[in-house]
Amino acid sequence: DIQMTQSPSSLSASVGDRVTITCRASQTIGTSLNWYQQKPGKAPNLLIFDASSLQSGVPSRFSGSASGTDFTLTINSLHPEDFATYFCQQSYSNLVTFGPGTKVDLK
Amino acid sequence: EVQLLESGGDLVQPGGSLRLSCAASGFTFNNYAMTWVRQAPGKGLEWVSSISRDGTTTSYADSVKGRFTVSRDSSKNTVYVEMNSLRAEDTAVYYCARYYCGGSGCYRNYDYWGQGALVTVSS
Repeated sequence: DIQMTQSPSSLSASVGDRVTITCRASQTIGTSLNWYQQKPGKAPNLLIFDASSLQSGVPSRFSGSASGTDFTLTINSLHPEDFATYFCQQSYSNLVTFGPGTKVDLK
Repeated sequence: EVQLLESGGDLVQPGGSLRLSCAASGFTFNNYAMTWVRQAPGKGLEWVSSISRDGTTTSYADSVKGRFTVSRDSSKNTVYVEMNSLRAEDTAVYYCARYYCGGSGCYRNYDYWGQGALVTVSS
């Protein structure tokens, strides 16, 4: 199975901050990497697909990039509604795997 | 409006069985493969199983292989997961989600999810 790691596991930030979350795959997955946001008690919400494509309806302050097996989710100018947990997911293999998550909370 | 509505979550004893349903509406069901993802309390997301658009191809995580069976009924726009020999570690919220499969392949990014069904395995 393809293993996904994320860093950091948690971070504290303020409204208006720029936040960067990193995800690393255990093997090459091309750009088959997606990002989700999850709030407590809610289902995950797709933010970014194919490493850098913004899902319809998602604010443009969210962006994604890729470099080899390293992937980055960036939130420019954090909004109050962005405090949540973020998961990466590889869709290269039909045996999908998720990263362990990064919790973004208020500093 | 796309909607996925899970049902069937319950408290069940270890070794027991349960069937979850996910009723889909607001889109052409047969154009999408479906998947089940679970989340244990306070934990991350774990892919469980997927089923192709026509139901002929299924896949399972090693943790549930041989115990869970996924199926779909296009006449009811519903996908199911039959869970047998349940264990305490199967306790989780189970989500169904869809992903698009077209002529050039499947795109396993899950753009719509249900609200989740809680399965608790405990004596």
